[in-house]
Amino acid sequence: DAKTTQPPSMDCAEGRAANLPCNHSTISGNEYVYWYRQIHSQGPQYIIHGLKNNETNEMASLIITEDRKSSTLILPHATLRDTAVYYCIVRLPSGGSNYKLTFGKGTLLTVNP
Amino acid sequence: NAGVTQTPKFQVLKTGQSMTLQCAQDMNHEYMSWYRQDPGMGLRLIHYSVGAGITDQGEVPNGYNVSRSTTEDFPLRLLSAAPSQTSVYFCASSYLSRGYGYTFGSGTRLTVV
Repeated sequence: DAKTTQPPSMDCAEGRAANLPCNHSTISGNEYVYWYRQIHSQGPQYIIHGLKNNETNEMASLIITEDRKSSTLILPHATLRDTAVYYCIVRLPSGGSNYKLTFGKGTLLTVNP
Repeated sequence: NAGVTQTPKFQVLKTGQSMTLQCAQDMNHEYMSWYRQDPGMGLRLIHYSVGAGITDQGEVPNGYNVSRSTTEDFPLRLLSAAPSQTSVYFCASSYLSRGYGYTFGSGTRLTVV
């Protein structure tokens, strides 16, 4: 699985859009970009995933650059409950060699009132 | 639809004791797995299963056993608990089909004294 790089922390004002970047310059052609988050003391939560097209669901939008070397997770109207560690993961959709999710250190997003 | 249910939520064991952490899902997911999360170490895969009767080791399997007799259940057994197994344990499940995200349980906090 390709390695990812994320900033360790970010701040966002409540009600504003939160844009979380992720670099994955070694991504291969058939690897997907997944985003998960972990709110303190809870299990990780799946947010969204994509291959090369931009994706949107009820939680967030995912923007993947044309060269697929980076992506941005967008929370359009951040709330205090969005404070969490956000993980960007790049992997094959069917799990690769052992279906392992490799979580890096992620980005701690703090939404401020 | 309960998702992924883990029991117990908290457990204290004495060194050398054995116990089973339970994980059940009601989504008919083929894939189930166990992770442990330690401060500064991120989530690490212990064991996983791609269907009933099929299990395999992850990156930190020593000291743990698993079995998958049904699609719904994937218990994790600690054979002889050690203080190094003090951790938060998460169970995750998913469809094996292309692109699905993983659903995590709420975790079991285990302390071995």
